[in-house]
Amino acid sequence: AQSVSQHNHHVILSEAASLELGCNYSYGGTVNLFWYVQYPGQHLQLLLKYFSGDPLVKGIKGFEAEFIKSKFSFNLRKPSVQWSDTAEYFCAVNRDRGSTLGRLYFGRGTQLTVWP
Amino acid sequence: DTAVSQTPKYLVTQMGNDKSIKCEQNLGHDTMYWYKQDSKKFLKIMFSYNNKELIINETVPNRFSPKSPDKAHLNLHINSLELGDSAVYFCASSQDWGGSNTDTQYFGPGTRLTVL
Repeated sequence: AQSVSQHNHHVILSEAASLELGCNYSYGGTVNLFWYVQYPGQHLQLLLKYFSGDPLVKGIKGFEAEFIKSKFSFNLRKPSVQWSDTAEYFCAVNRDRGSTLGRLYFGRGTQLTVWP
Repeated sequence: DTAVSQTPKYLVTQMGNDKSIKCEQNLGHDTMYWYKQDSKKFLKIMFSYNNKELIINETVPNRFSPKSPDKAHLNLHINSLELGDSAVYFCASSQDWGGSNTDTQYFGPGTRLTVL
């Protein structure tokens, strides 16, 4: 079955700590990859996305993600987190063609809590 | 200024009732979506419309019926509500179908439905 896995359900860090959130997917073929963030009480917002080209993608608010095709991974990183990064982070994947066209498949999310 | 808006934000109702959730986008996008987020925070696509035409219809009970009066609106009507329908429902939109999955989906704030 096609799936997106986020293995960390809840991550707790102190301010200035480095962050890495894991995301793995199980689809073969060409995929497009996304990280969304949901701040408390707000809607999902796009952090960054990868379609092609440089596998290291930079997004908003100092986030970046690296696509490693051989590992089917798209991990999210930030060198120094802030209290305001406290939020739920979702990895999402869609396929470039075929019957699943247009469907975004989400991981179950990782709750990040940053202590000041 | 809200790009994708949903009403209501909260909906509490009894089993067996019929309810609707409205979604509007002012981005000029051609494609709109409905997602369901369950209690474990899994986000799963339900429907997608492109220019008022149904494109994606996942395995969703017939009690759920989307309606797109124009390409800026995609409403979700639910008949005979059941306890298991309790979830957060997110509307989203993207620029163009076009056979490509590279378009970012923009999400609304969500509607929390509670069925008693």
